[in-house]
Amino acid sequence: EAGVTQFPSHSVIEKGQTVTLRCDPISGHDNLYWYRRVMGKEIKFLLHFVKESKQDESGMPNNRFLAERTGGTYSTLKVQPAELEDSGVYFCASSLKKGLTGELFFGEGSRLTVL
Amino acid sequence: AQSVTQPDIHITVSEGASLELRCNYSYGATPYLFWYVQSPGQGLQLLLKYFSGDTLVQGIKGFEAEFKRSQSSFNLRKPSVHWSDAAEYFCAVDSPGSGNTGKLIFGQGTTLQVKP
Repeated sequence: EAGVTQFPSHSVIEKGQTVTLRCDPISGHDNLYWYRRVMGKEIKFLLHFVKESKQDESGMPNNRFLAERTGGTYSTLKVQPAELEDSGVYFCASSLKKGLTGELFFGEGSRLTVL
Repeated sequence: AQSVTQPDIHITVSEGASLELRCNYSYGATPYLFWYVQSPGQGLQLLLKYFSGDTLVQGIKGFEAEFKRSQSSFNLRKPSVHWSDAAEYFCAVDSPGSGNTGKLIFGQGTTLQVKP
């Protein structure tokens, strides 16, 4: 069974440009999460989807970030326009269900470098 | 605010030596606690978790962790480290609210280097 896959693995863009990160969760996982790790800092929660609905987006830094999950399958995270402080590693995770058995499975992350 | 502290940013141990990675949390109630590992080129993998019950939990790859409420700690241990254990280790708690929501609060991570 395929794990959580993220694309691209690394993206280098200039300030002001747009980048779209994609996450394919494990098939059948209703819960999908985005996290971010800025250089030298801890991994921080961005948002949580249950199927196609945003359950919690309290960690989204500002309105330059837009996350979608069309049809409750894959998700995209768009940053527009990108700023220098957006550089970091963006992790996606999925879980079958919430609750005590809802283990999160993480992807390898998408590294974003904004110049 | 709830927080997780991993005091050691970088640790080096010799292969075969024992290992203890420290984790302290600040949380009002009994938290759900996790240890994840990220090996180079891979995603975060769950090593073990504590929700309730026995305070000594066993995980994969020979790791264990002990929950100590009085010290607000959840330290990760391994009796004999292997070269393949070189990785970055993250302690995390589930955020307050309904419990095990998947909205984790992470520590800054500890990078483990293993000397031959």
